[in-house]
Amino acid sequence: GAGVSQSPRYKVAKRGQDVALRCDPISGHVSLFWYQQALGQGPEFLTYFQNEAQLDKSGLPSDRFFAERPEGSVSTLKIQRTQQEDSAVYLCASSGRLDLSYEQYFGPGTRLTVT
Amino acid sequence: QQQVKQSPQSLIVQKGGISIINCAYENTAFDYFPWYQQFPGKGPALLIAIRPDVSEKKEGRFTISFNKSAKQFSLHIMDSQPGDSATYFCAATGNYQLIWGAGTKLIIKP
Repeated sequence: GAGVSQSPRYKVAKRGQDVALRCDPISGHVSLFWYQQALGQGPEFLTYFQNEAQLDKSGLPSDRFFAERPEGSVSTLKIQRTQQEDSAVYLCASSGRLDLSYEQYFGPGTRLTVT
Repeated sequence: QQQVKQSPQSLIVQKGGISIINCAYENTAFDYFPWYQQFPGKGPALLIAIRPDVSEKKEGRFTISFNKSAKQFSLHIMDSQPGDSATYFCAATGNYQLIWGAGTKLIIKP
């Protein structure tokens, strides 16, 4: 029961396909974050959950991106009608304390390639 | 402004030397400044962090120096080892949303 896990680790999608990326946070962690990391860049914030509530989705690049965490644990990031510019590593992070929500523990990421 | 500027983009240091990575920020509301280490194929891992009421924090071979008036902070890696070869990111936040630098690819030559 170690760290944050993500699946799949690699995903190749044809342009226009829908994809779903899964994140299993550290057990008991209240906060969950999704980031997008382009090659050679720092992660960019996508969205933030506190338990099952999505408190901030300001970083989602378009309405093709949708995230959910229905039971306050596992989260899914869904991308509809994928485009080439969606190719990136998608990172999930979790944090155990609301007052320390900046102490985030990251999963290994899902590398999405859109062809 | 939200941006965090990081330099250099890449750095090569001899084994045993000191690696220095610098970051600058604009938003004075930031109150937490972490450094993350990322190996290829892995997610970032929290290395060390500092708050602006402290000018320096040391953990083992890793030291953060913080200059509040200049709005700059830096990571020093003493006695750099080949295993330190990775990409390092500085970040800043005033809440939960981390604002990241662009990263520094560090190579330690044996």
